[in-house]
Amino acid sequence: EDKVVQSPLSLVVHEGDTVTLNCSYEVTNFRSLLWYKQEKKAPTFLFMLTSSGIEKKSGRLSSILDKKELSSILNITATQTGDSAIYLCAVPETSGSRLTFGEGTQLTVNP
Amino acid sequence: ETGVTQTPRHLVMGMTNKKSLKCEQHLGHNAMYWYKQSAKKPLELMFVYSLEERVENNSVPSRFSPECPNSSHLFLHLHTLQPEDSALYLCASSIGHGTNYGYTFGSGTRLTVV
Repeated sequence: EDKVVQSPLSLVVHEGDTVTLNCSYEVTNFRSLLWYKQEKKAPTFLFMLTSSGIEKKSGRLSSILDKKELSSILNITATQTGDSAIYLCAVPETSGSRLTFGEGTQLTVNP
Repeated sequence: ETGVTQTPRHLVMGMTNKKSLKCEQHLGHNAMYWYKQSAKKPLELMFVYSLEERVENNSVPSRFSPECPNSSHLFLHLHTLQPEDSALYLCASSIGHGTNYGYTFGSGTRLTVV
């Protein structure tokens, strides 16, 4: 059974801090890994990673995949209170018709 | 707004009630999904529809009944629910049936069963 584990489950930081969120996966036939940000309700897409070692970047957020370690990290630099959210990691299952999600990391950025 | 609209945003229902959740997208996507999100648990896939045909039913109890009349609309009919069914129900859509295309999520319906 495919599995996604995220850590930490919860993180509280101050504005300006840099954070690293972790995602590890076990999937029979890896194709991609996705990161989502969920603020109030709707998860919104951040990154899709398919190739190991290639960093994807969007403003202060960046993410990289390590296929050897079966993991990915999401970095947020110079955090702001607006970064407070649940960050979800997901991988497509072998059949391709569904995503397996991790529990998510609840990030709280205090002023 | 993400392009996927869910109504209602909040719903409180008794265990003997019948209600329906609605999801609508006008993104031209032809696959739609229902997910359940409970506190401290990963998102759980409930149903997948591709081109209006149900392609997956992830062992969901029969008190949840999906309906997809066309590729833009998806319903979740609820009947005699239990308190443990209280959760956030998220609808999503994608261009193709398959996650390589990425999902667009709606804002969800927060359901409370009393």
